[in-house]
Amino acid sequence: EVQLVESGGGLVQPGGSLSLSCAASGFAFGGYSLNWVRQAPGKGLEWVSYIGSSGTIHYAESVKGRFTISRDNAKKSLYLQMSSLRAEDTAVYYCVRDRDYYDSSGYFGGAFDIWGQGTMVTVSS
Amino acid sequence: DIRLTQSPSFLSASVGDRVTITCRASQAISRYLAWYQQKPGKAPNLLIYTAFTLQSGVPSRFSGSGSGTEFTLTISSLQPEDFATYYCQQLNSYPRTFGQGTKVEVK
Repeated sequence: EVQLVESGGGLVQPGGSLSLSCAASGFAFGGYSLNWVRQAPGKGLEWVSYIGSSGTIHYAESVKGRFTISRDNAKKSLYLQMSSLRAEDTAVYYCVRDRDYYDSSGYFGGAFDIWGQGTMVTVSS
Repeated sequence: DIRLTQSPSFLSASVGDRVTITCRASQAISRYLAWYQQKPGKAPNLLIYTAFTLQSGVPSRFSGSGSGTEFTLTISSLQPEDFATYYCQQLNSYPRTFGQGTKVEVK
């Protein structure tokens, strides 16, 4: 079964740090790009960060300089190191697989096809 | 950044109704748009990618259309399990962005 399982969420004080992990199973982890997406309580979805299979990285402006995404293909794991946390970082954080689709003409498009169950991060004093 | 605006934000409907949700992009994104369904307390689930391609396992009552800046998600005959929140997402450029969501509620 294709699966992503996040861990590491919890309560942290403003200005603190926290590290999230995502364990993958059931697919060739090294061949896929991955993302972190978050959802504040009662709010919509917000893309946080991307790491490609070759190591290309992108961040949302709201977390740039504070969050660091990384991966360990041997361990089939994705990570998000979060520092200088703020109250507005409070959210459920999802680990998400990024899939590219191809047809006879080449790249056809992409989508976030596999989502973990999420891990809650609460930033509060 | 590309802004996605969904309409309506809330929709009241009955089982059997035809439901249409619109997603407008602030600039052209070709067909690089996906739709997701999210139920309370659960992770989102991919319904449609590349604007109109149905994800494997998704019922055929769901369909998508559009290109450029205007897209639609249609549920041809709403079923009890379809009451949920729906999000569009653009995959044309970074940062990836989502629409604000459309909550489909029981009328």
